[in-house]
Amino acid sequence: DQQVKQNSPSLSVQEGRISILNCDYTNSMFDYFLWYKKYPAEGPTFLISISSIKDKNEDGRFTVFLNKSAKHLSLHIVPSQPGDSAVYFCAAGNTGNQFYFGTGTSLTVIP
Amino acid sequence: KAGVTQTPRYLIKTRGQQVTLSCSPISGHRSVSWYQQTPGQGLQFLFEYFSETQRNKGNFPGRFSGRQFSNSRSEMNVSTLELGDSALYLCASSLRPGTGVTGELFFGEGSRLTVL
Repeated sequence: DQQVKQNSPSLSVQEGRISILNCDYTNSMFDYFLWYKKYPAEGPTFLISISSIKDKNEDGRFTVFLNKSAKHLSLHIVPSQPGDSAVYFCAAGNTGNQFYFGTGTSLTVIP
Repeated sequence: KAGVTQTPRYLIKTRGQQVTLSCSPISGHRSVSWYQQTPGQGLQFLFEYFSETQRNKGNFPGRFSGRQFSNSRSEMNVSTLELGDSALYLCASSLRPGTGVTGELFFGEGSRLTVL
């Protein structure tokens, strides 16, 4: 059973506009949520995280929002750049290194 | 410093065979986790090792096993391969369990296994 879901397999956005990637989860016991970015032929690289006690975390152009009541998180990228084109995975977990990942959203930023 | 190194990068096996994949973590990292990535399932947790002990195991059959050596290098083994085992197997290292929640979990490039 998929505990973390990314229902949009792909997303296309114009350069300079906002990219919004969404993720839903089913387990209310998750303490941490992360976003990873993956380029072809490379391993995933960490982007940003948020703990369950917060509802927002920012790091430069990247902001993650957490809505615990809706069991939903989103990643906002503003402004989007062509180099942001990649597959984005959301992940959830607790205090160990066992994470539950979504199936990924492929973002294409059009110049 | 060198990143996470996985070998081999690509391999082809036939059903019924077994395979061993290797992972060398970042120097100083003692926790190694393994994930399976398939198009329909995303990344799925296989197991985590720390100080040569398995700490967590995901929901995979017993055909999937692993171990960690005293130098923190890890191997995973899949026996009696099935077509559905075709996937990218990713290894991730961190200093210790728990540091992954703040992003201190570093992935290798993966080993692409094809089962014919």
